[in-house]
Amino acid sequence: GAGVSQSPRYKVAKRGQDVALRCDPISGHVSLFWYQQALGQGPEFLTYFQNEAQLDKSGLPSDRFFAERPEGSVSTLKIQRTQQEDSAVYLCASSLGGLAGGSTDTQYFGPGTRLTVL
Amino acid sequence: AQKVTQAQTEISVVEKEDVTLDCVYETRDTTYYLFWYKQPPSGELVFLIRRNSFDEQNEISGRYSWNFQKSTSSFNFTITASQVVDSAVYFCALSERRSQGNLIFGKGTKLSVKP
Repeated sequence: GAGVSQSPRYKVAKRGQDVALRCDPISGHVSLFWYQQALGQGPEFLTYFQNEAQLDKSGLPSDRFFAERPEGSVSTLKIQRTQQEDSAVYLCASSLGGLAGGSTDTQYFGPGTRLTVL
Repeated sequence: AQKVTQAQTEISVVEKEDVTLDCVYETRDTTYYLFWYKQPPSGELVFLIRRNSFDEQNEISGRYSWNFQKSTSSFNFTITASQVVDSAVYFCALSERRSQGNLIFGKGTKLSVKP
């Protein structure tokens, strides 16, 4: 079966542009997470969805960051008016999750989108 | 406060040497999960192991083994007879039950295995 896929793999944006990053989770996975990984650092949590519900967005660094998962499958992370400090790899992960298993199931990661803001 | 500490930033070994990667965690939750992920140069995080806080048994999978000790809040990872293909950045991560599962990562340990 297919793993988590993300697109685009690389994105270069000029400062001030809006970008949209897409994540296709593993089919049937209820939980979906977004992480930001700066160069040389570990990933940092941004937001979490259970199906279409965004249950935790405490890690979003500013109101320029917005995520959605309208049908409980594909998710989009949108960054408005990009800044140079937004340059990072954005990782998406999914897990089986759900009310029974909880969201602490193993998370499987996609290849990430490397965003460079000039 | 940092909840997962990987004190070793970089380790370099020669092929066939054994190497241990350290991980110390901090949590007030009684139910939590610990993970190790491998990030090769290609960038994708590869899942290696998941342990829950109630299972302190050590685990061995081929050349990989993990030592979980609640008394010292450590979850160390050993690679036996290292190979060049083991070269990667290894991350230890913590998931607390009360936080709905988001992973808290350490800063990673870069392992270089030289032929």
